[in-house]
Amino acid sequence: DTGVSQDPRHKITKRGQNVTFRCDPISEHNRLYWYRQTLGQGPEFLTYFQNEAQLEKSRLLSDRFSAERPKGSFSTLEIQRTEQGDSAMYLCASSSQAGGPYNEQFFGPGTRLTVL
Amino acid sequence: AQKITQTQPGMFVQEKEAVTLDCTYDTSDPSYGLFWYKQPSSGEMIFLIYQGSYDQQNATEGRYSLNFQKARKSANLVISASQLGDSAMYFCAGGESSASKIIFGSGTRLSIRP
Repeated sequence: DTGVSQDPRHKITKRGQNVTFRCDPISEHNRLYWYRQTLGQGPEFLTYFQNEAQLEKSRLLSDRFSAERPKGSFSTLEIQRTEQGDSAMYLCASSSQAGGPYNEQFFGPGTRLTVL
Repeated sequence: AQKITQTQPGMFVQEKEAVTLDCTYDTSDPSYGLFWYKQPSSGEMIFLIYQGSYDQQNATEGRYSLNFQKARKSANLVISASQLGDSAMYFCAGGESSASKIIFGSGTRLSIRP
């Protein structure tokens, strides 16, 4: 399978715990995005990497959230001291830079986080 | 700031009929990109079609076409000959030329009746 993969697919945690999600983009894609989607809403942009550089962060990304893409391949999204309001689907997407800014973003299956 | 608006929370359509899902956008960027994604109950986001605001012709991909009206800042998705498998959430999204992120609308839940 050469699509975007995310791990884990589901995560249940207690409030106050730290969680980390992983995203593996399509191998030739140098752009990687994280989005958050709550029930009944469209995805909201969180952050974006081009290769290993984090080029943009949404104000939705509080100090408890951190994302990395150390080698320009896979990325991790960590949430520290989770709160019930963090419960959502976390989506990762990747795209190629070739051809300009409007390249199709390919999405992974998402990680559904439930904070008890 | 850019904004995507979808005003139809839900729609019911008879199988084999055509359906139009509405989307309007607001941006000061003259070179804006519009996307449509489908999200079935399984949760995956599936890319359907793309249109640049500078494109002269409306985009088509199989049964999907984009009715793009630049003056009205609308980019409606048309699905011809709807099928039961078309039942899903549909999201309109847009992106400015100065940024790589895309902004999503609130979505339209499409239900196809047999």
